[in-house]
Amino acid sequence: EAQVTQNPRYLITVTGKKLTVTCSQNMNHEYMSWYRQDPGLGLRQIYYSMNVEVTDKGDVPEGYKVSRKEKRNFPLILESPSPNQTSLYFCASTPGGSYEQYFGPGTRLTVT
Amino acid sequence: RKEVEQDPGPFNVPEGATVAFNCTYSNSASQSFFWYRQDCRKEPKLLMSVYSSGNEDGRFTAQLNRASQYISLLIRDSKLSDSATYLCVVAGFQKLVFGTGTRLLVSP
Repeated sequence: EAQVTQNPRYLITVTGKKLTVTCSQNMNHEYMSWYRQDPGLGLRQIYYSMNVEVTDKGDVPEGYKVSRKEKRNFPLILESPSPNQTSLYFCASTPGGSYEQYFGPGTRLTVT
Repeated sequence: RKEVEQDPGPFNVPEGATVAFNCTYSNSASQSFFWYRQDCRKEPKLLMSVYSSGNEDGRFTAQLNRASQYISLLIRDSKLSDSATYLCVVAGFQKLVFGTGTRLLVSP
């Protein structure tokens, strides 16, 4: 089954404790991205990657890091999480030449 | 001004009703337009692309007005299962901008 997977689905952590949210897709898509979704603000892009070893900042990159060492994986790293990073996070992948986004199921992160 | 604006709703309609949502965008150079559906706190899923000539998929009709920079979604014969948030998405130059969504509640 073609899909985007994210782990963990739910995470409660404390300020300053480094964490990684994994994202993997099995559709051989070139383009992958991370979004956060907050009430009243909609989906905002954090980082995106157009292919292996190519990443770039989205609209709200502060406090986040990403890497793209393999085509299928695009982990999101929070080196020192803060409460304002409490949010619902979505990973998405897109085939080349298209704008259609395939979203993962989401990761609900709470930072206390 | 937001790049993509939608009325947040909620739109409360009875089953069988026709309901329409509008979405306005500010970047006249935008190239592609979409409607996504999002169920409560789940991932957004593509409902339909929006083409310049307008397009229909069953009970759903999408239209684009480039001159006025808005897109619309019409849902006919609403079903209970149509209850969701509908996200307007505008794309161009490798960037997508999502609206904050319009919530639809269909009641028996």
